[in-house]
Amino acid sequence: QVQLQESGPGLVKPSQTLSLVCTVSGDSISSGRYFWSWIRQSADKGLEWIGRLYSSGSTHYNPSLMSRVTISGDTSKNQISLRLTSVTAADTAMYYCARDWGGTSIFDLWGQGTLVTVS
Amino acid sequence: QSALTQPASVSGSPGQSITISCTGTSSDIGGYKYVSWYQQDPGKAPKLMIFDVDNRPSGVSNRFSGSKSGNTASLTISGLQAEDESHYYCSSFTSSNTVLFGGGTKLTIL
Repeated sequence: QVQLQESGPGLVKPSQTLSLVCTVSGDSISSGRYFWSWIRQSADKGLEWIGRLYSSGSTHYNPSLMSRVTISGDTSKNQISLRLTSVTAADTAMYYCARDWGGTSIFDLWGQGTLVTVS
Repeated sequence: QSALTQPASVSGSPGQSITISCTGTSSDIGGYKYVSWYQQDPGKAPKLMIFDVDNRPSGVSNRFSGSKSGNTASLTISGLQAEDESHYYCSSFTSSNTVLFGGGTKLTIL
């Protein structure tokens, strides 16, 4: 059974960098069967796609966040990382990692999410 | 890129059918057969209910169905049950190779 688990600090100060990790169990992030995305949800903006990691290691980002976001994979640990720089209160949200089936908005498996507050 | 447009709320009685709309543009919903729908209960992660406009993942009730016409996609739930009360979100692939979500619709069972 495939599971995704997000982890990281729940509180980040303004202007600092938000760093989260998604640990995948039961599947390999480099298998090529799926992509892996980060998605966040806030009361103000609802669900917002942040970006995706392809099995090749390449990435694609939401243009609105592109200048501040980096998604990377660690195949030895089977983890996907998210870094978001220069955070503000607007980045306060629940952050989810999700299995991305084909890169066409099919997220068939989600982690439970981790709440990040910028304050 | 603006979020896809969904009604804030819909309601229906047990046994009835409801439809939730999701409106985008020709650069997202209208341009591709890549619309998904998600159900989200309070405190939980979204759950995939429909993908590629009208396909159900294994395990999802056939009371849930999807369709699309032009720039608007729809989710229909037939034979409403109390357990269907939840928030529903649409999403679409876009011409920029990104994903857009709708603002969400709260379904209330009367």
